[in-house]
Amino acid sequence: QLQLQESGPGLVRPSETLSLTCTVSGGSITNSGSYWSWVRQPPGKGLEYIETISYSGNTYYNPSLKSRVAISVDTSKNQFSLKLTSVTAADTAVYYCARLITGGCFDYWGRGALVTVSS
Amino acid sequence: QTVLTQEPSFSVSPGGAVTLTCGLSSGSVSTNHYPSWYQQTPGQAPRSLIYNTNIRSSGVPDRFSGSILGNKAALTISGAQADDESDYFCALSMGSGMYVFGTGTTVTVL
Repeated sequence: QLQLQESGPGLVRPSETLSLTCTVSGGSITNSGSYWSWVRQPPGKGLEYIETISYSGNTYYNPSLKSRVAISVDTSKNQFSLKLTSVTAADTAVYYCARLITGGCFDYWGRGALVTVSS
Repeated sequence: QTVLTQEPSFSVSPGGAVTLTCGLSSGSVSTNHYPSWYQQTPGQAPRSLIYNTNIRSSGVPDRFSGSILGNKAALTISGAQADDESDYFCALSMGSGMYVFGTGTTVTVL
C-alpha cells in the first residue's frame, strides 16, 4: 500500500521560504504513470492545487503561484519537495502531498502538514 | 481566473439520494476535463471517490457514481449512509498540467 508523508517546519516567518518534503513508501516514485503533487488547504477553506512533478523532472505549476514555487524530486530517497518563497499569512494552510495518475486522479494523499506563517 | 462552483451544502435523508454538481465559471464541463471527486471529513486528508468522470477509485462503494449532467460534472450518492456526511470536492484538469478544485459541498445526512 502506497503511503505518503509530509515533513518540514510547522512555523515559517513572513517573507521567508516554506520548505516541505514528501516521502513515498510502499512503492517507487519512478513508477510509470505516477506524478507527484502538492495541494494546500487554508484553515476552513477549500483545496488549492500547487504543482506537480514527474520522476524525470517534468513540472507543472498553478500559474497563480508559479513565480514563488519550486518542486524537485530525489529518486534515490523516494522523495519530492516543495519550496514556496516570500510567504505571507495567506500561505498558512495544511499542505498535502499526493500522487496524481493518468485520468486525473489524486489517488493517494499524505496526512497533511499544517504550516503557519507568523512572526 | 477559473472558478469551479459547487453547491455550498446539501441535506439528505438516510437511504436517500443526492446529486452534487460542479460547474465552470466560463464554459461547460466535459469528459475532456477528466472530472474527479474527493470526500473529506474534518481533520482528514481527502479521499478519492471518482475519476475520469465516472470511474470509481479502489474500495469506493457503488452507491457513489459520477457523470456529466448538462454542462456540469455530477456526483450522485444513492442510499446515503451516516458516514457519507462529509465535504465533497470536485476537480478538473484544465490542460498543461493545471488542475482546479471546486468550492466544496458539505453533505449532511439526517
